[in-house]
Parts: sequence; structure tokens; C-alpha cells
Amino acid sequence: GAVVSQHPSWVICKSGTSVKIECRSLDFQATTMFWYRQFPKQSLMLMATSNEGSKATYEQGVEKDKFLINHASLTLSTLTVTSAHPEDSSFYICSARELAGVLIQYFGAGTRLSVL
Amino acid sequence: RKEVEQDPGPFNVPEGATVAFNCTYSNSASQSFFWYRQDCRKEPKLLMSVYSSGNEDGRFTAQLNRASQYISLLIRDSKLSDSATYLCVVNLSYGGSQGNLIFGKGTKLSVKP
Repeated sequence: GAVVSQHPSWVICKSGTSVKIECRSLDFQATTMFWYRQFPKQSLMLMATSNEGSKATYEQGVEKDKFLINHASLTLSTLTVTSAHPEDSSFYICSARELAGVLIQYFGAGTRLSVL
Repeated sequence: RKEVEQDPGPFNVPEGATVAFNCTYSNSASQSFFWYRQDCRKEPKLLMSVYSSGNEDGRFTAQLNRASQYISLLIRDSKLSDSATYLCVVNLSYGGSQGNLIFGKGTKLSVKP
């Protein structure tokens, strides 16, 4: 099946630093990628939808200036958490959509961010 | 009301047991439905799509009741490896590039020897 690679898998950083997370679709082109965040014992919450070559669409309550998304190619989207703070500590997961009759989304392995 | 609701569990069952999970969704415009499985500290993985006529994949059977906005997942002959959190997921559109997945919080299953 389709594979989505997400890197890094785990980040520990100091408060105030910026963290960049990469998401790549390895064997298919993804015009649309999604970024989710999951806090412990909570459901995955969509943060933004990333479209290749255009600005990302952010969900209500997600600060676009804090969570910078770039989708420069059909196989790569990046999420940068700028000036991270402890409350940004979470599990960030990217997903890419493959059209195969029925919509199927494949997920990256996730990035666990811990901000000290 | 939450968009997708599930009983969080945990469901603790012995090996070989049959277990059923239920899910309700609030938006009647939802078009496609899925069950995902998520292991601890891992990404969700598609278990199966859910079709109106009901569908089966080995030990797993999914049912959809559009009138009641209700989805179910039945696992027969539970294995230790079935221990995970099962996520009920709906999508508001079908085909094309619109819509996104709405996740329930998940139901935790623990299968014991």
C-alpha cells in the first residue's frame, strides 16, 4: 500500500525554539496533505489542510502564524511549529490522500513533540 | 454534540471472545465511513471501510445504519494482537478532493490471555 514518511519521529526542544516536521508521500503524488494533532486520550484533531502550490487552510482555533505549513511539491509538506511552548507538546501526525475509488488517507508515523 | 461519538472503554475481553463497538455520528451528510486502528503512540491505520450493505473482512464485520447514523464493528475470535484503540471515522464528502476525516476518540480494546 501507499506509504507516508514523517520525520522526525520524536523531538525534545527548549521553549522558544522552532521545530520543523516533514511529511513525504513515497510512492504516490499527494495534492492534498493533512496535519493532525492528538493530545493524550483525545481524538485526532485536524489542524490544517495543505494543498500543493497554494496556501494551507487552517481549522478554527489554529494559529496560522504559529503553525507554518509549506507544500512545495506533490510529495512533500512541512509543518513548522514556531516559538514552541510546553502547551504545544503533542503528537503531530500528517496524512496524505490517495484517490483510489474510495477516499483513502494514509498516515505518517507521527512526531512526538516535547517542549521543555 | 460531538461529531463522532464512541464508548471509550476499555473493553477487557479474553482471547476468543466476540466484541462489538458502536459509534454514532451527528452529520447526516456524512458520506463515507471507516474503522481505523491505532496502537499506543502510533499512527492510525485503516482497518476497513464501512459500506451500507455491511461488509466483512475475516474476523471483522462492519455495519452501517444511515437512518440511525450508527456504525458498528464486530470482532470475532479475539486475538491478543487485536489489543488497540479502534477509531470510528467519517467523511462528509465522497470522491474528489473535498472533505476531511472526522475522528472519534476511539474505543480501547484489551484482549487478555
